[in-house]
Amino acid sequence: AQSVAQPEDQVNVAEGNPLTVKCTYSVSGNPYLFWYVQYPNRGLQFLLKYITGDNLVKGSYGFEAEFNKSQTSFHLKKPSALVSDSALYFCAVRDLGTNAGKSTFGDGTTLTVKP
Amino acid sequence: GAGVSQSPSNKVTEKGKDVELRCDPISGHTALYWYRQSLGQGLEFLIYFQGNSAPDKSGLPSDRFSAERTGGSVSTLTIQRTQQEDSAVYLCASSLVGTSGSTDTQYFGPGTRLTVL
Repeated sequence: AQSVAQPEDQVNVAEGNPLTVKCTYSVSGNPYLFWYVQYPNRGLQFLLKYITGDNLVKGSYGFEAEFNKSQTSFHLKKPSALVSDSALYFCAVRDLGTNAGKSTFGDGTTLTVKP
Repeated sequence: GAGVSQSPSNKVTEKGKDVELRCDPISGHTALYWYRQSLGQGLEFLIYFQGNSAPDKSGLPSDRFSAERTGGSVSTLTIQRTQQEDSAVYLCASSLVGTSGSTDTQYFGPGTRLTVL
């Protein structure tokens, strides 16, 4: 079985400050990890993904995420937040050890960046 | 267009009526997913199609829900005898499946907002 947890329903940061949105996962095999963003009244947009290789993955809009196998985490980060980053963020995991194509999504974290 | 499209964008129906929601995936994508998102909530997986394999229906909440994918492309999600708790945004996504069997990034459509009165 695979699962993903986003422990924070809400994250608030001031513009210009660094931001972190947390994600932890559980899989039986190797994980395939994603971050998606959903702006108000919009569909989900892909931000970045990790399969193998460098543990620090860089994605769209200046976001990056660090894969930490020992802590089973894949936290999303950005060095300097923008008001326009305010949105709903979803982490997702897929277990490469299974043949199923289904990813499991977290419940989402609402990021609010205040000017 | 090059993205996933869904229709209608909004659907208002009366309790007890049947509705059909349509998804046009990205051309060439072999995998197609349906999710439900209630107001301010996370994604609830409904059903997954992959090529000619039997669909994974494990997320369908009741037998009132069904989905088809014709010709490996367009998919229709049907909800029979709609209930007020069916009100949500229904999202469709598609992806490529690589030769290794791994699933690539999911690309989402804009969703259909269903309101059951």
